Amino acid sequence: EPEVTQTPSHQVTQMGQEVILRCVPISNHLYFYWYRQILGQKVEFLVSFYNNEISEKSEIFDDQFSVERPDGSNFTLKIRSTKLEDSAMYFCASRGAGGPQETQYFGPGTRLLVL
Amino acid sequence: AQKVTQAQTEISVVEKEDVTLDCVYETRDTTYYLFWYKQPPSGELVFLIRRNSFDEQNEISGRYSWNFQKSTSSFNFTITASQVVDSAVYFCALSGRNQGGKLIFGQGTELSVKP
Repeated sequence: EPEVTQTPSHQVTQMGQEVILRCVPISNHLYFYWYRQILGQKVEFLVSFYNNEISEKSEIFDDQFSVERPDGSNFTLKIRSTKLEDSAMYFCASRGAGGPQETQYFGPGTRLLVL
Repeated sequence: AQKVTQAQTEISVVEKEDVTLDCVYETRDTTYYLFWYKQPPSGELVFLIRRNSFDEQNEISGRYSWNFQKSTSSFNFTITASQVVDSAVYFCALSGRNQGGKLIFGQGTELSVKP
């Protein structure tokens, strides 16, 4: 069964450093998402991406964040200068083109720890 | 604005008990979609069910059942004869008719099933 994959599974970085989180969505999916979950809290939407551009972003997704689909398979989230409060689990998700009723399938997550 | 409320933060039951997880939502959209996801201790988000706003038929899948009531804006989830493997955090989520389809999650309910 196709699945969303994410690398790395864990990342430890120093405050102020740049990190890139990588995702490989399900191959025939067209909508891609990033969410984050601070430890013990709910899952929060960051950004959605369709047709090579951001379709929606949340207030959390400020200028420090960017997303890219550098090739036909990868979808990346870059945090330019990490802060302590960026420590969280980051989930990538993807869905097909059928509309918002389509199920989003999530990757296993990348746990980011900023020291 | 869209909002999902899961008022039960933690529930603890003994194996074989039935348990219901509550979900109440708010949205101005007339067309919307509701989801339940399971987050086991390993951390991934596992899709359980999707419901469209125009389909109020309840659904049963094995020991799992869902009760969708538009009149009370609720989408409750019942596990019958709970098992230890059901121990997880369960999230209810809402997506509006916006084509981007971002998910708005509730706070989650942590279910602990004891042997």
